[in-house]
Amino acid sequence: KAGVTQTPRYLIKTRGQQVTLSCSPISGHRSVSWYQQTPGQGLQFLFEYFSETQRNKGNFPGRFSGRQFSNSRSEMNVSTLELGDSALYLCASSRRLAGRQETQYFGPGTRLLVL
Amino acid sequence: QQPVQSPQAVILREGEDAVINCSSSKALYSVHWYRQKHGEAPVFLMILLKGGEQKGHEKISASFNEKKQQSSLYLTASQLSYSGTYFCGTEVISGSARQLTFGSGTQLTVLP
Repeated sequence: KAGVTQTPRYLIKTRGQQVTLSCSPISGHRSVSWYQQTPGQGLQFLFEYFSETQRNKGNFPGRFSGRQFSNSRSEMNVSTLELGDSALYLCASSRRLAGRQETQYFGPGTRLLVL
Repeated sequence: QQPVQSPQAVILREGEDAVINCSSSKALYSVHWYRQKHGEAPVFLMILLKGGEQKGHEKISASFNEKKQQSSLYLTASQLSYSGTYFCGTEVISGSARQLTFGSGTQLTVLP
């Protein structure tokens, strides 16, 4: 079974720009969660999508948004980029059965550098 | 609320044992353990469910104390390949949609 894929793997943007990251979950997984990882803050939960609906949201400003398509692929968008948005953005997919969070399988991440 | 992991870092010699702890102030439904090597994505190790027994994965096992809302990861006879950052993720019993919240990680270094 193919793993979680994320594109692009690396990205360089400048302050004020916007960026869209993509995540394709493992086949059959309907839940996609996004995390921001930085050396200082560790793994921070951004949001989760299940069946095209946002189910949970972390404590991030409205500049961070996402969506999920009918094939479970998900995109994350960050508008008006700030230097502090430089991070590794990880997406993880899982089955999420009966409201429970099943094992999450992480993609390789997209490393974003904001200059 | 983020679970608390301890210690923050540990250095071992090959063959030695280590314990990593994860505690939460909230009632937990499950605890997930992941290992992340430098430059790679976190890799799932095991899940411990409320009411479940101790789990094991090769020479790595874990326990979940529901009364204390704590989980411990045990690495026995450590190997060089065990080096990495270990994260616990906790699933809190709250509402209908649960999410994983990760600890800040424990950096484990195994020396030859």
